[in-house]
Amino acid sequence: EPEVTQTPSHQVTQMGQEVILRCVPISNHLYFYWYRQILGQKVEFLVSFYNNEISEKSEIFDDQFSVERPDGSNFTLKIRSTKLEDSAMYFCASSYREGNQPQHFGDGTRLSIL
Amino acid sequence: GEDVEQSLFLSVREGDSSVINCTYTDSSSTYLYWYKQEPGAGLQLLTYIFSNMDMKQDQRLTVLLNKKDKHLSLRIADTQTGDSAIYFCAERRSSASKIIFGSGTRLSIRP
Repeated sequence: EPEVTQTPSHQVTQMGQEVILRCVPISNHLYFYWYRQILGQKVEFLVSFYNNEISEKSEIFDDQFSVERPDGSNFTLKIRSTKLEDSAMYFCASSYREGNQPQHFGDGTRLSIL
Repeated sequence: GEDVEQSLFLSVREGDSSVINCTYTDSSSTYLYWYKQEPGAGLQLLTYIFSNMDMKQDQRLTVLLNKKDKHLSLRIADTQTGDSAIYFCAERRSSASKIIFGSGTRLSIRP
């Protein structure tokens, strides 16, 4: 069964550094998403992306965050200047449509900021 | 407002049925989901139901939706040790991209 893959599984970065989290969505999916889960808290929506544009973003997704689909297969989340509070599990998801099609999630990247 | 609530823990005996409950606040929620998260793994979609349905059954899983009370439940029949995981209830409105998740219910199985 096709799946969403995320790399790396664990990323350790110094505070203030830039980090790029990578995702390969399911190949025929058109909608892409990032969520995060801070330890002990709920899974929170960050951003959705369709047709090379952000379609919705949350308050968390401020100017230090950006997303990109650099080629036909990858979908990336960049955090420009990481803060301690960015430490979390980051999940990528994709769906074929936005309507009656569910979002399928990857296994996540654990980001640790030192 | 947007909120999804679940109890944090559930313990059942192996072979019994597990029932995980969830309440949501947004009456415009159109899609309701159950995701499973095993230790160290991602969010696995288990099943989902549209708000115009009352029930959906898929092998050992039964989802019941009471739209009037904004209550969703997941029943796992004949619970096995492999069912040990965190189960997340989630909702999405038709007008939005984002999924709103509950805190997750940790299901543990007793021998």
